Amino acid sequence: SQQGEEDPQALSIQEGENATMNCSYKTSINNLQWYRQNSGRGLVHLILIRSNEREKHSGRLRVTLDTSKKSSSLLITASRAADTASYFCATDAEDTDKLIFGTGTRLQVFP
Amino acid sequence: DAGVIQSPRHEVTEMGQEVTLRCKPISGHDYLFWYRQTMMRGLELLIYFNNNVPIDDSGMPEDRFSAKMPNASFSTLKIQPSEPRDSAVYFCASSSYTGVIQYFGAGTRLSVL
Repeated sequence: SQQGEEDPQALSIQEGENATMNCSYKTSINNLQWYRQNSGRGLVHLILIRSNEREKHSGRLRVTLDTSKKSSSLLITASRAADTASYFCATDAEDTDKLIFGTGTRLQVFP
Repeated sequence: DAGVIQSPRHEVTEMGQEVTLRCKPISGHDYLFWYRQTMMRGLELLIYFNNNVPIDDSGMPEDRFSAKMPNASFSTLKIQPSEPRDSAVYFCASSSYTGVIQYFGAGTRLSVL
């Protein structure tokens, strides 16, 4: 079964607005990653946050992690049409070697 | 490096036929993963290898599916016989060690008629 559930399933915004996506997971983790998937393409790694970190930034991306709530959020600031894609969280649970992906959020950014 | 290379990009076949999907991981990566993506079930891990050895194949749906990694630069996922419910996008990914960043290929879109 999938480790992560993402919310919302779909999000539509205008260029320049911020986009926030949330991920919840079920078991203890070593780290959590976010990936992007453009239509018809493979997943691309965006950012990794370790279980002992609470916040991380990379360009226009800001990721938070709350291990007590088993949740993470991805904020994309000043969105662009090129940010249109599906976004997935992925966790490596402490008791497995696998990387488990969430259900994804489909983001549409209108110019 | 050219990244993870999958072939073919698209495959259309008839029910009952054998299908072979191919993957070349990034050179130097120790781990190789096969995933299947569908609208209904999302992204599912089918099997993964470490140093060419299958470690966990619990995600392989049934005996019709098999995967091999004869050397560090090549892996195959075979479906025999194929069924319409196997229609999906199959991804291969590699990483330098498990749990860290995975690099995905462009995928093979399989349609079984």
